[in-house]
Amino acid sequence: NAGVTQTPKFRILKIGQSMTLQCAQDMNHNYMYWYRQDPGMGLKLIYYSVGAGITDKGEVPNGYNVSRSTTEDFPLRLELAAPSQTSVYFCASQEGSSYEQYFGPGTRLTVT
Amino acid sequence: AQSVSQHNHHVILSEAASLELGCNYSYGGTVNLFWYVQYPGQHLQLLLKYFSGDPLVKGIKGFEAEFIKSKFSFNLRKPSVQWSDTAEYFCAVKEKGTYKYIFGTGTRLKVLA
Repeated sequence: NAGVTQTPKFRILKIGQSMTLQCAQDMNHNYMYWYRQDPGMGLKLIYYSVGAGITDKGEVPNGYNVSRSTTEDFPLRLELAAPSQTSVYFCASQEGSSYEQYFGPGTRLTVT
Repeated sequence: AQSVSQHNHHVILSEAASLELGCNYSYGGTVNLFWYVQYPGQHLQLLLKYFSGDPLVKGIKGFEAEFIKSKFSFNLRKPSVQWSDTAEYFCAVKEKGTYKYIFGTGTRLKVLA
């Protein structure tokens, strides 16, 4: 099992550009999450999904979009990147009954 | 809105010292509680979790945590830390019946050899 994989590992964007952060899991987990981690701020939930075709907003969804067309993939889309979106982004998946989240290695994004 | 407070942002200890990291949450209903750890250069991983029953829960690597409902607290403890415990520790809360997790701001622990 590869677990939760994220691509790219690093990315620099210019203000106003867009990009998609990829997240995939091979554990057949229904639940998937996107978080951002800023220094001293902990992890903030951006979006989550309880299954293919079902997504919902977390604490900080503005400026982001998600889709969940398959169980395995949960991409995060940034439209019109802004410096405030400079952060480390973590994807996680969860097997329903255990509530344990499995995290990916993260994507470090800088918007300049 | 729910919130999770971790009052110790940075902790420095010598090996063999005892550790207690505080975690308080603001939600009054039934919650599930978690501690995650992020070792340098590694993924976040689960240390331990509390759902119900015995309020003292044991996790991996000798860690334990105690749920005190009256204090809305879930403090993490380890009797004797090792250099390899150097990491960032996150407390998280999930309201029962939902799938949204609220994480604390984290505590960076440095253990001196």
